[in-house]
Amino acid sequence: EAQLVESGGSLVQPGGSLRLSCAASGFIFSRFEMNWVRQTPGKGLEWISRVTTEGSTTYYADSVKGRFTVSRDNAKNLLFLQMNSLRAEDTAVYFCARGRELTERGGSYRGLDPWGQGTLVTVSS
Amino acid sequence: DIVLTQSPLSLPVTPGEPASISCRSSQSLLYGNVYSYLDWYVQKPGQSPQLLIYLGFHRASGVPGRFSGSGSGTDFTLTISRVEADDVGVYYCMQALQPGTFGQGTKLEIK
Repeated sequence: EAQLVESGGSLVQPGGSLRLSCAASGFIFSRFEMNWVRQTPGKGLEWISRVTTEGSTTYYADSVKGRFTVSRDNAKNLLFLQMNSLRAEDTAVYFCARGRELTERGGSYRGLDPWGQGTLVTVSS
Repeated sequence: DIVLTQSPLSLPVTPGEPASISCRSSQSLLYGNVYSYLDWYVQKPGQSPQLLIYLGFHRASGVPGRFSGSGSGTDFTLTISRVEADDVGVYYCMQALQPGTFGQGTKLEIK
C-alpha cells in the first residue's frame, strides 16, 4: 500500500527557515511526480509546489515562489520542501501528495493520491 | 492563473437525498481535446484530503458508485446520488493543468 509520512514541522520565527520531509513507501517513488499542498488553520487547501520525477523541473504557487524550494532524493524515497523567509501567513498544515506517474507511453495522471497525514508549521514570534 | 469557483459553499442535505456541487473554471481545463484536468477531493473531519474523482469523471479506487463527476472544459459537477451520514466533510475541486489550484471548498452537512 502506498504511504506518505511528512515530518519537520515546528514553531519558527518570522524570517526563519525550515525544511520539511516526506517519506514515501509502498510504491516506486522515482516514477511519480510529487506535490506539496497546505491548509491554513480553519481554511481551505492551497496547492503550493510540484516536482517532476527526476527533480529537474519544479513548479510553485505565486505565494511561495522565490522563498520555497522543492527537491527529492529518489535513492532514499524522500521529498523535501525548503522554506525560507517564512511569514505568519505561511502558518499551515503541509501535506505531500503523489501525482502523475511517468510510464513508457508518457505520463499517466490519476489525481493526487495518496496524501500524507500532514505536518504543522507555525510561524510566530 | 486559473481560478476555480465552487457553489454552493454550504450544503445541508437529508440522508438518502441527492446532492450536487458545481465547480467553474476561469479557463478551459481540456487538454488534447480528450481529458479535462479537474479532480474532486473530500476532507472528512480530522482527516487528510482524499481523492474521489480524477480527470473529470474517473472514480478513484474504492470510491462508492454513488459518487460521480461530470462536465468538460470549464463547468464541472460532483454528484452524490444518495447522501449518507459518512459523507460529511468539505469537498474541493482542483485543477491540475496549470499547475494546480483548488476551489474554495463546499461544506456538506447532514440536516
